[in-house]
Amino acid sequence: GENVEQHPSTLSVQEGDSAVIKCTYSDSASNYFPWYKQELGKGPQLIIDIRSNVGEKKDQRIAVTLNKTAKHFSLHITETQPEDSAVYFCAASSNAGKSTFGDGTTLTVKP
Amino acid sequence: ETGVTQSPTHLIKTRGQQVTLRCSSQSGHNTVSWYQQALGQGPQFIFQYYREEENGRGNFPPRFSGLQFPNYSSELNVNALELDDSALYLCASSLASSTDTQYFGPGTRLTVL
Repeated sequence: GENVEQHPSTLSVQEGDSAVIKCTYSDSASNYFPWYKQELGKGPQLIIDIRSNVGEKKDQRIAVTLNKTAKHFSLHITETQPEDSAVYFCAASSNAGKSTFGDGTTLTVKP
Repeated sequence: ETGVTQSPTHLIKTRGQQVTLRCSSQSGHNTVSWYQQALGQGPQFIFQYYREEENGRGNFPPRFSGLQFPNYSSELNVNALELDDSALYLCASSLASSTDTQYFGPGTRLTVL
């Protein structure tokens, strides 16, 4: 089955700096790669996703890149703000409802 | 348009008991997936229901079972609870297409004593 590895497990940045989280996946059949933000006591919230026919996608301060050959994808957050502090999860799937998740990255943005 | 809702919010059970968790999918969605999230880990896929039929299952024993109803709401049942079943249980709804996004509910926190 699919295996997703996520790094780093914790990330601390100064407000205004950029943050990068990286994931690798094992199943070449995976074609859907969402990123979720999870705040304490809440369910994961989709922040951006990318499909395998696209190499990069951007939404305001958030961008995701995908390298299908190397089987890795990354989340980039620019101009970080304290409210960006949360746990971020990457996921990979060949079916949107059966995602395999990474173990998460705890992002702390220091004011 | 209403989002995904789950009930109850919290639940405490003892080992060996049975539990039923409920999920109402987002309006217009016909697919519900259930995930188990242990503390400090990513969600683990339990199973998916599409139009009242199980449509894929993760690496969970048969004592984890589910149902989907004609209105696409869903239940997760866990029999013979074990201490390791303590976790946040999440449901997510989506359209059937593999290119469609899934939306998560807030989860049910289950504690097994």
